[in-house]
Amino acid sequence: ILNVEQSPQSLHVQEGDSTNFTCSFPSSNFYALHWYRWETAKSPEALFVMTLNGDEKKKGRISATLNTKEGYSYLYIKGSQPEDSATYLCASGGRRALTFGSGTRLQVQP
Amino acid sequence: EAQVTQNPRYLITVTGKKLTVTCSQNMNHEYMSWYRQDPGLGLRQIYYSMNVEVTDKGDVPEGYKVSRKEKRNFPLILESPSPNQTSLYFCASSPRTGPLSSYEQYFGPGTRLTVT
Repeated sequence: ILNVEQSPQSLHVQEGDSTNFTCSFPSSNFYALHWYRWETAKSPEALFVMTLNGDEKKKGRISATLNTKEGYSYLYIKGSQPEDSATYLCASGGRRALTFGSGTRLQVQP
Repeated sequence: EAQVTQNPRYLITVTGKKLTVTCSQNMNHEYMSWYRQDPGLGLRQIYYSMNVEVTDKGDVPEGYKVSRKEKRNFPLILESPSPNQTSLYFCASSPRTGPLSSYEQYFGPGTRLTVT
């Protein structure tokens, strides 16, 4: 079983703050790193799937980077808004199984 | 509309009473998977299926069965539910053609199961 860890577990920020969180994963036999956004009472939704060392992806104010050699990925949110409040999940895996971290819960105060 | 559906959304049952949670997707995805979510533990994979008639165990398969007789459906079966299977269950599907970067998972709405 892969060990995927996320930090911090939770985060409270003010509207307008920029923030970032970390996902660490075993760097051996790496295939892909996924980021999902999960709002309360909804289903997780994909943000990014990253495969290459040095990959950077961006969607609006959210971006992510990937370092496969050292086994970590960062997710950045620029100028957080209350609607960014959610749990952000990362997962590592390949064509078959996918192992999720326990998530970072972000709350953005207006 | 492209989607993954699950039924029922909520279920309260008693120990030992067999139940099935259905999952269906209309995106012609080869890959389907079941997860359970428990507080502090994140999503844990129960079973997955690479294609019709091909299923494999995930991290926590004990007490569950699955079948994949058709591409669109992937039911989760609890033959004899126990209280430790009380959880939030998600079904997901994903294409498995093209590059790995396209393998994002599409999740169903979730099924909250309580076993008393």
